[in-house]
Amino acid sequence: QKEVEQDPGPLSVPEGAIVSLNCTYSNSAFQYFMWYRQYSRKGPELLMYTYSSGNKEDGRFTAQVDKSSKYISLFIRDSQPSDSATYLCAITGNQFYFGTGTSLTVIP
Amino acid sequence: GAGVSQSPRYKVAKRGQDVALRCDPISGHVSLFWYQQALGQGPEFLTYFQNEAQLDKSGLPSDRFFAERPEGSVSTLKIQRTQQEDSAVYLCASSSTGPIDTQYFGPGTRLTVL
Repeated sequence: QKEVEQDPGPLSVPEGAIVSLNCTYSNSAFQYFMWYRQYSRKGPELLMYTYSSGNKEDGRFTAQVDKSSKYISLFIRDSQPSDSATYLCAITGNQFYFGTGTSLTVIP
Repeated sequence: GAGVSQSPRYKVAKRGQDVALRCDPISGHVSLFWYQQALGQGPEFLTYFQNEAQLDKSGLPSDRFFAERPEGSVSTLKIQRTQQEDSAVYLCASSSTGPIDTQYFGPGTRLTVL
């Protein structure tokens, strides 16, 4: 079993839609939860960072962590074509563990 | 510098050749990480340095892979006798403290082994 599981998609939505991206993880000792965005042929860039259960909001993005279910989510409101990218969840114990990434396309 | 830089951005090697990939981390960042990202996959951890000390190399796939950071700044990932399965994007990241700190990634080096 991989430490982090993420549905690879691809996911295609119309502009303005709400997008939900999800990951599950296996080790309850994991403490820090991140979402990265990766554009084609670029390195990942950090979007959101949280270490507690609950919601964290930053503009159109909301990160949600449910430690009891070992489940994390990223919600994107009012999605834009510029949001089209691959979204990677990352979780840390002693190392960084990345999900496989979900490819998102927002259609104008 | 402004961010993590990597060179070369693209490398084509013939099977059996040795390659060296360079990473320049953000100035002052203590920790440096190397990842391998296959097409359509997330980054897979290779190795981690804190200053010049290589604290974790558990992700290196074989003894053909070697990384160093002799002065605690620039790092080089070397792959000897490259194989086709080594074809991937090699990402470098740095953080100001340790593994639980936010990592900032470079653009990667895309290695193609023919």
